[in-house]
Amino acid sequence: QVQLQQSGPGLVKPSQTLSLTCDISGDTVSSNSAAWHWIRQSPSRGLEWLGRTYYRYKWYNDYVVSVKSRITINADTSKNQFSLQLNSVTPEDTAVYYCARGTGRYAGGFDYWGLGTLVTVSS
Amino acid sequence: SYELTQPPSVSVSPGQTASITCSGDRLGDKDTWWYQQKPGQSPVLVIYQKSYRPPGIPERFSGSNSGNTATLTISGTQPMDEADYYCQAWDSTTGVFGTGTKVTVL
Repeated sequence: QVQLQQSGPGLVKPSQTLSLTCDISGDTVSSNSAAWHWIRQSPSRGLEWLGRTYYRYKWYNDYVVSVKSRITINADTSKNQFSLQLNSVTPEDTAVYYCARGTGRYAGGFDYWGLGTLVTVSS
Repeated sequence: SYELTQPPSVSVSPGQTASITCSGDRLGDKDTWWYQQKPGQSPVLVIYQKSYRPPGIPERFSGSNSGNTATLTISGTQPMDEADYYCQAWDSTTGVFGTGTKVTVL
């Protein structure tokens, strides 16, 4: 059974960096059949895919264009986790942030999700 | 950017059929996934690759794609199916979610 445990602050000041971590159990971040995603949800924007990292004999990243200049997703194989950093945040980045696994078993569908972290951007 | 449009709400009586549409340019040429989300919970995958159900998802959930539209059908809708539903597809290397549909079982 795969579990994704999210951690990170729930309050970030404008212009600062949002940082979240997702600890993986039941799978490995360097799996050749999985990808590791960050997705957020807000009333105004609905569900929004932010990006992913995955390993296919080397590491790859993809990001949504709207945040591409501000986002970094990294994997840490020693801790079996992956992280999200979003720079220069504004109140529009206030949302519930989810980590999720995409698996080849479901052609890339997101079969396991973290519980979500509400991140509020406010001074 | 690629967009997927869903009706904001669908109402259905218990035991009847609910159909939720998802429209996008050439969506029929793409794989589509569907997620169910109940209040305060994370989304759950209910359909993958247009029409396949993961283990544990009831047979009353089915999916189809044609032209510019993907459809999630819930046959014999039960009160427990009341939730928000989101379609999802890939535009090259970017994931895209639909606008979401609230299904109300009256």
